[in-house]
Formats: sequence, C-alpha cells, structure tokens
Amino acid sequence: GQQLNQSPQSMFIQEGEDVSMNCTSSSIFNTWLWYKQEPGEGPVLLIALYKAGELTSNGRLTAQFGITRKDSFLNISASIPSDVGIYFCAGQLGTYKYIFGTGTRLKVLA
Amino acid sequence: DTAVSQTPKYLVTQMGNDKSIKCEQNLGHDTMYWYKQDSKKFLKIMFSYNNKELIINETVPNRFSPKSPDKAHLNLHINSLELGDSAVYFCASSHWGYSGGRNNEQFFGPGTRLTVL
Repeated sequence: GQQLNQSPQSMFIQEGEDVSMNCTSSSIFNTWLWYKQEPGEGPVLLIALYKAGELTSNGRLTAQFGITRKDSFLNISASIPSDVGIYFCAGQLGTYKYIFGTGTRLKVLA
Repeated sequence: DTAVSQTPKYLVTQMGNDKSIKCEQNLGHDTMYWYKQDSKKFLKIMFSYNNKELIINETVPNRFSPKSPDKAHLNLHINSLELGDSAVYFCASSHWGYSGGRNNEQFFGPGTRLTVL
C-alpha cells in the first residue's frame, strides 16, 4: 500500500534540543496532518495544514505545508522528556483517504 | 466524554475464531475509518464509511466485514482469524469534507490490540 516517506526514522536527542522531521511524496496532497502516538495509545492530532506554504504553530511545535504540496515539515523546539513518542505525518488523498508516513521515533534524553 | 471509543482494548483469540471490534464516536462526524497498525507501527487504512456507506475498501480480505448501523458507530467483524491478523486496529472519524477543507481533521480511538494464537 501507499506510504509517505518520513525521515528521520528515529532520533535520540538531548533535552532542550530542537527537532526537525519531514515527509515527502510523489503525490500532491491538499491537507497535511501531524500526529503523535505514545505507547498503548491512539495517534493524537497535533497540527493540521490546509494550504501550500502554510506555517502553523501549536505551542513548541511548528509545521509547514510545502510549496510543492508534496511535502511537509514538523519542528519541535526546546524538546522535553514528554515529547517522546512516534510522530506521524498524514496526507489527504481524495476526499476520504489519508496516507500515513512511516513514523519518526523520538527519544529525549534528560 | 471520550471522543472516539473502541471496545475491547485487548483481544486474544485462537486461530479460526470469529471476533468483532466496536467503535463509537460522539463528535458528530459523518465519516469513520478502520486502520491496521502492524508491528513496525505502519498505519494502513482498511475501510472508510461516509453516512453509513462504504466508500473505501483497501483490498482487505473479505474475512473482514465492517458494519455501520448509524453515523456514530462503525464495527469490524473478522471471520476465520489468522495469525497475520495480529495487529492493533484503530478506528477514526472526521467530517466529510472536500479535499483540503478545514473540517478534514481526523481523530483516532485508543486502539484494539488483537492477538491471534
């Protein structure tokens, strides 16, 4: 099945560092969603992007909808231990279908 | 006041059995989904329903049969369970919206961990 390329696959960072991750595709998407999943839980929506070039923040998180509409970026500033988890991007393909990225596993060392 | 709920949270069963997973959302959404997350954490859409009608079936074996009795509920019945069906199954919901609309945010349930022995 289709999946978005998401990188990096995993990251180990020190508390206080900034984090960047991205998703790329050969398809054009009209909506990008970013999720965080913690162990034993469902993905939780962090940020939604609807327009090419859009830059949206949610606290320490900032995400951008790429100009080409084929990519998106998520940045986390000043990471803290509770940022640990798996971060997924999702692109909307058509009206009812979302394609998910392969996930970025983030570990924060205190 | 849970937005998207699923039952059961855990399901352990023998190969060949039939089992069901239930999902309910109280967000007033009209589109619901089933996803499968494998051991590598890849999330893959299985089905999408809009207003109780099946919209997407991603080449899922016909042992899997979703049923939507109303817009707030989407259940998943699995016949003749196989070892490869072991995974976490997530229900999700959203408003129906044209592609790129501001109502396209999708919300997930807590998941059902299915283990087939």
